[in-house]
Amino acid sequence: GENVEQHPSTLSVQEGDSAVIKCTYSDSASNYFPWYKQELGKRPQLIIDIRSNVGEKKDQRIAVTLNKTAKHFSLHITETQPEDSAVYFCAASINGNNRLAFGKGNQVVVIP
Amino acid sequence: EAQVTQNPRYLITVTGKKLTVTCSQNMNHEYMSWYRQDPGLGLRQIYYSMNVEVTDKGDVPEGYKVSRKEKRNFPLILESPSPNQTSLYFCASSWEDGYNEQFFGPGTRLTVL
Repeated sequence: GENVEQHPSTLSVQEGDSAVIKCTYSDSASNYFPWYKQELGKRPQLIIDIRSNVGEKKDQRIAVTLNKTAKHFSLHITETQPEDSAVYFCAASINGNNRLAFGKGNQVVVIP
Repeated sequence: EAQVTQNPRYLITVTGKKLTVTCSQNMNHEYMSWYRQDPGLGLRQIYYSMNVEVTDKGDVPEGYKVSRKEKRNFPLILESPSPNQTSLYFCASSWEDGYNEQFFGPGTRLTVL
């Protein structure tokens, strides 16, 4: 089945710097890759997603890039702010049964 | 307001005492799902449902049951809870299937003694 891994597990950045989280997946048939943000004590919420027919997608300070050949995709956060501190989950579609496989999550800490 | 609700939000129970966690959504979503979140293990899917009367196992279904008699509701049933089911549970819903934005409920923190 699909296996999704996230690196690094914890990332600390200075406010204003950029943060990059990388995910790898195992199933070459996966075609949908969302990123969810979970603030402390709250529910996960979708922040950006990408489908396999595009290589990059941006939404203000957030971008996701996809490399299907290498089977990895990355979340880029520019000009980080304290409110970006959270756990970020990546996921990949499990082809053929309408499900997502989630990674274990990355803790991002933005240091003021 | 479009939302997914779960009840109860917190529950402490004892081993073997049957319990039900309710999940309801008001967005007319076809797809609903239950996840458990444990430290260091991320989100793991328990069961999911593509529509009314259609349910299927996720990655960790052992010890759980679900039903989907109505489109809006997707209760999670623990017939005989055990301490290893102590966890944070999330219900989620989306259009059609899991390949659209999944809207998560607020979570239910369950402790089984």
